[in-house]
Amino acid sequence: SQQGEEDPQALSIQEGENATMNCSYKTSINNLQWYRQNSGRGLVHLILIRSNEREKHSGRLRVTLDTSKKSSSLLITASRAADTASYFCATDSGNTPLVFGKGTRLSVIA
Amino acid sequence: DAGITQSPRHKVTETGTPVTLRCHQTENHRYMYWYRQDPGHGLRLIHYSYGVKDTDKGEVSDGYSVSRSKTEDFLLTLESATSSQTSVYFCAISGGQNHNYGYTFGSGTRLTVV
Repeated sequence: SQQGEEDPQALSIQEGENATMNCSYKTSINNLQWYRQNSGRGLVHLILIRSNEREKHSGRLRVTLDTSKKSSSLLITASRAADTASYFCATDSGNTPLVFGKGTRLSVIA
Repeated sequence: DAGITQSPRHKVTETGTPVTLRCHQTENHRYMYWYRQDPGHGLRLIHYSYGVKDTDKGEVSDGYSVSRSKTEDFLLTLESATSSQTSVYFCAISGGQNHNYGYTFGSGTRLTVV
């Protein structure tokens, strides 16, 4: 069963706006990762945040992690049409493969 | 993606026939994974491998088998295809068991069972 659950399921914004996606999970984790999937393609690793980290940045991406609430958020600033994709969180809970959520579909309208 | 290829990219097969999907990597990574992606379910793990001849089951392994006879190749076999196995199948590789590593995914195989 899914460990991470993304919210919202779908998000539509105008180019230049910020996009925020959330991920909630159920059990303790070692790290949490975010991936992007363009239509018809494989997933691409975006960023990893460890359980002892609270915030991490990579370019226009900002990820936060709140282990007390078992939740993470992905913020994409100044969104572009090219950011249109599905975004997945994935949790690492130890010596087992990543468990992925169902994803958030982001549409950025030019 | 560079370093990992899946074949075939598309396949249509009939119910009851065996089907084998291939994942090939050139990264010499120890870990390889097969996931399936379905609308409303996200990605679900079928099987994974942590070394040559070392494999384990995932969440949705029924009806599937795998083999890894060499580091580069991880084969997924549908023993007798059913319509419920119509899906997009993704292979992924990792240099380490998750910790501080991300996965690299292949481009997927779209399988239709008619």
